[in-house]
Amino acid sequence: AQRVTQPEKLLSVFKGAPVELKCNYSYSGSPELFWYVQYSRQRLQLLLRHISRESIKGFTADLNKGETSFHLKKPFAQEEDSAMYYCALALTGGGNKLTFGTGTQLKVEL
Amino acid sequence: NAGVTQTPKFRVLKTGQSMTLLCAQDMNHEYMYWYRQDPGMGLRLIHYSVGEGTTAKGEVPDGYNVSRLKKQNFLLGLESAAPSQTSVYFCASSPHGQLSYEQYFGPGTRLTVT
Repeated sequence: AQRVTQPEKLLSVFKGAPVELKCNYSYSGSPELFWYVQYSRQRLQLLLRHISRESIKGFTADLNKGETSFHLKKPFAQEEDSAMYYCALALTGGGNKLTFGTGTQLKVEL
Repeated sequence: NAGVTQTPKFRVLKTGQSMTLLCAQDMNHEYMYWYRQDPGMGLRLIHYSVGEGTTAKGEVPDGYNVSRLKKQNFLLGLESAAPSQTSVYFCASSPHGQLSYEQYFGPGTRLTVT
């Protein structure tokens, strides 16, 4: 089964502290993974995709096939990082379908 | 460009009533999707469409119907609403042929069924 697991519902960190949002996946082939973010009162939007190997807003995510993980990291949390973060896995079968994890609410405290 | 828009923003229904949620996109995207978002369950795909005149079932299609008569619109219908359908509904669209799987989301519709 193609599945994404985000074990933490809520992650609270202090400003300036490192952040790691966990994501594990279940997929038999070569996965395509993404992180989406939903800021307060804003739409869900793509943050980054593993295939691009990019850093967006200081966030990075490395695909670890051995551990089937795609954790989202940032060395120094900012207050504006507070949001809901969803890890997503591309599904086979066409249509650009995604399956999402249950999400992690990140709260950055001052 | 308005992107993806959803109508209405909020709605309260009584059990057994019907309603239609409208999603419109002005980006000429081929693919469109309807999700529901529930606490602790993330986003779950209800139905999707890979082009005008086509629809397909997602993960949680029961109790919902959809239609895509025009490329820019994707309608989600509830024929007989149930309290279990209380949720926030999101529409999204994605361009065909772009392997990035980026989906563009609407602002959501908050539906309460009493």
